[in-house]
Order: sequence, then C-alpha cells, then structure tokens
Amino acid sequence: GENVEQHPSTLSVQEGDSAVIKCTYSDSASNYFPWYKQELGKRPQLIIDIRSNVGEKKDQRIAVTLNKTAKHFSLHITETQPEDSAVYFCAASHARGANNLFFGTGTRLTVIP
Amino acid sequence: KAGVTQTPRYLIKTRGQQVTLSCSPISGHRSVSWYQQTPGQGLQFLFEYFSETQRNKGNFPGRFSGRQFSNSRSEMNVSTLELGDSALYLCASSLRLAAYNEQFFGPGTRLTVL
Repeated sequence: GENVEQHPSTLSVQEGDSAVIKCTYSDSASNYFPWYKQELGKRPQLIIDIRSNVGEKKDQRIAVTLNKTAKHFSLHITETQPEDSAVYFCAASHARGANNLFFGTGTRLTVIP
Repeated sequence: KAGVTQTPRYLIKTRGQQVTLSCSPISGHRSVSWYQQTPGQGLQFLFEYFSETQRNKGNFPGRFSGRQFSNSRSEMNVSTLELGDSALYLCASSLRLAAYNEQFFGPGTRLTVL
C-alpha cells in the first residue's frame, strides 16, 4: 500500500519567516495530494490540495509543489503568523472511485511572535 | 450548512467491552470515511462507505466494523476493546466517491479504554 513520510516532525520559525514541510510517497499511482491543518483540540481542515497533473498551486501565503518523478511534494507558508501554529498533515490518495487518504505523521509548526 | 457531527464526543470503556460511534455527514454528502488518530501512528484509514456499501477497508482487525444507513449516517463498532484502541476516531464526509473530493472532518470521538 501507499506509504507517506513527512519531515520535519517539529518546526519553529520566527513570525514573518517562511516554513517548508516536505513529504514523500511510495505509490506512483497516487494522484491527489491534500494538506490538512489541525489546531489543538480541533478537527483537521483542508488548506490546499494539488492533483498529479499540476506542478504547483498557490493560495495567498500558502503554496504546494509536486515532483512526480521524485515522488515528493512540499508545503510552503510565507510570512508566517502566530495563527499558523498547528499540526500540518500531508496526504496522498490514488484509488479510483475511493476517497481513502494515506497521511503523513504530521509536522508541529510553532510560529514565535 | 451544518458540518459533520459525531457522537458521542468522549467515551470511556474497559477492555473487552464493545463500543459504537456515530457520524452524521454534511447534508447531501454520500461518502463517509473513518480514521483513527493516535500520537504514535498518526491518522490511519479504517474504512469508507458509499450508498450503504463498504467500498474500501484499511489494515485493521475484524473487530473494527461499520455500516452506513440510507440517510448516509454511518456508525462504526469496535468489539472486544483493547488498550491500544484508545484514540481519537474521526469521520469525514465527501460529496462523491472519487479522488479529488475534499473530505470534511467531524470533531471526532475520543475513546479511552481502561
């Protein structure tokens, strides 16, 4: 089955700096890569996603890049703010006619004011 | 639109007991997936239901089962509880059964097994 690895497990940045979280996946058939943000005690929420036919996608301060050849994808957050502090999960999905996601182990991001 | 709801929010059980968790998807969503979240293993896929049929199953023992009703509400059951079943159980609903569909998570049910 699919195996998603995520690094780093923890990340601390100064407010205003950029943060980068990296994930690799094992199954070349994976074609959908969402990123979820989970604040303490809350449910995971989708912040951005990318399909395998796209190399990069941006949404304001958040961007995701995908390298299908190397089987890795990354989340970039620019101009970080304290409210960006949370656990971020990458995920991969590959099954046609299915929604099951394979998640990375999460990155705890702390933005220091 | 109301979001995904899960009941109960918290549950304490003892080893050997069984438990049933409930999930109500967003109105109009027909796919419901279940995930187990633990500090050590992260988020792991349990199973997915669409139109009252299990479409996918993760790598969990047969003690974990589920079902979906005609109104798309779903339940999952864990029998013969073990200490290692202590976790946050999240359900997620989606409009259709296909990749690329955003999954909306519920608040979860925190299960503690003593």
